[in-house]
Amino acid sequence: AQSVAQPEDQVNVAEGNPLTVKCTYSVSGNPYLFWYVQYPNRGLQFLLKYITGDNLVKGSYGFEAEFNKSQTSFHLKKPSALVSDSALYFCAVREYGNKLVFGAGTILRVKS
Amino acid sequence: DTAVSQTPKYLVTQMGNDKSIKCEQNLGHDTMYWYKQDSKKFLKIMFSYNNKELIINETVPNRFSPKSPDKAHLNLHINSLELGDSAVYFCASSLNAGGPLGGELFFGEGSRLTVL
Repeated sequence: AQSVAQPEDQVNVAEGNPLTVKCTYSVSGNPYLFWYVQYPNRGLQFLLKYITGDNLVKGSYGFEAEFNKSQTSFHLKKPSALVSDSALYFCAVREYGNKLVFGAGTILRVKS
Repeated sequence: DTAVSQTPKYLVTQMGNDKSIKCEQNLGHDTMYWYKQDSKKFLKIMFSYNNKELIINETVPNRFSPKSPDKAHLNLHINSLELGDSAVYFCASSLNAGGPLGGELFFGEGSRLTVL
């Protein structure tokens, strides 16, 4: 079965600093990987996905993610964090039937 | 217009009752899903329908019964509610496409169910 792991429950960063939210994956075959964000009391919003091609994927709100096959990682990054980026971030991998399997989530707190 | 809308947003009910949650999407997608998010924010798929046909049915108690009258609607009925059913239930939709087109889910705002 495909799975992803998010090793950090919470990431704290100062506004204006770069941020990284980590994700590692375990799949058979080529991975289809995703990042979603969830703001308090809201549904999940799609940020970006890696299917194939360039290892650096650009997404919404200035986020990007780097696919690293040798390290089986798909870390989410942003060069300069905003307070409004504070939210719960989920990494996910696609399985059969277009089913997404989500990681446990990482809370991002950006302090001014 | 809200792309994926769920009703009701909040449900508070007693153990043993039966309740339903409705979901509608206006994105023209052919696949819809129910996900459950528990108190620790862990998300797990429950069901998926493609063009009214059930294609994913995870290990979910028989008390949960999804129904899709058409590809724009997916409802969730829960019988004999238990305390452990308390969670946020999210509806989502997507194109059921393989390859690079697949996988992007659009989520509703969630329905918070509290069983007392």
